[in-house]
Amino acid sequence: KQEVTQIPAALSVPEGENLVLNCSFTDSAIYNLQWFRQDPGKGLTSLLLIQSSQREQTSGRLNASLDKSSGRSTLYIAASQPGDSATYLCAVRESGGSNYKLTFGKGTLLTVNP
Amino acid sequence: SQTIHQWPATLVQPVGSPLSLECTVEGTSNPNLYWYRQAAGRGLQLLFYSVGIGQISSEVPQNLSASRPQDRQFILSSKKLLLSDSGFYLCALGRGASSYNEQFFGPGTRLTVL
Repeated sequence: KQEVTQIPAALSVPEGENLVLNCSFTDSAIYNLQWFRQDPGKGLTSLLLIQSSQREQTSGRLNASLDKSSGRSTLYIAASQPGDSATYLCAVRESGGSNYKLTFGKGTLLTVNP
Repeated sequence: SQTIHQWPATLVQPVGSPLSLECTVEGTSNPNLYWYRQAAGRGLQLLFYSVGIGQISSEVPQNLSASRPQDRQFILSSKKLLLSDSGFYLCALGRGASSYNEQFFGPGTRLTVL
């Protein structure tokens, strides 16, 4: 059974700092990995999708990497801003029989202090 | 691009009452549709998914049910709510099992069962 773990559970940083969020998964047989952002009381916003054949994806100040063999992904946020404050979730889409669904981590609550 | 609508946005219901949550999507056809529940401290849990009209698969045993009467409509129901049904319900869509395919989420419905 796939399990996804995100560390740390919460992170507080001053504005302008570069930071890394971690995600690990137990079964490396995945189609892709997706990073989401969730603001309080809101739905999930997709940030980046990394296919299993890729090693990283970039969007603006965000860079996500994937090491499928070791079951790890990181989300790098450069020059953090107070507007980046949110919960960040990673999710993996398994290959094979369970390829219809995502398995989520519990998220990292990020607070960027002005 | 696709849009996902959910209503109501919030709902407070007594234990034992019925439930009907609706999800509709625009800007796409023949999507895979998903119902997730997000409970405090437990992360996102997949409840149901559907690959087409009238096709529903359940992920976990519970007193909830789902229906897909139209291609772009997905309904979550219960005949008698339990306290444990409280949570944030999210509808999502995806397009097939390709590694290129992202899942997108709606704004969610906050359900409180008293």
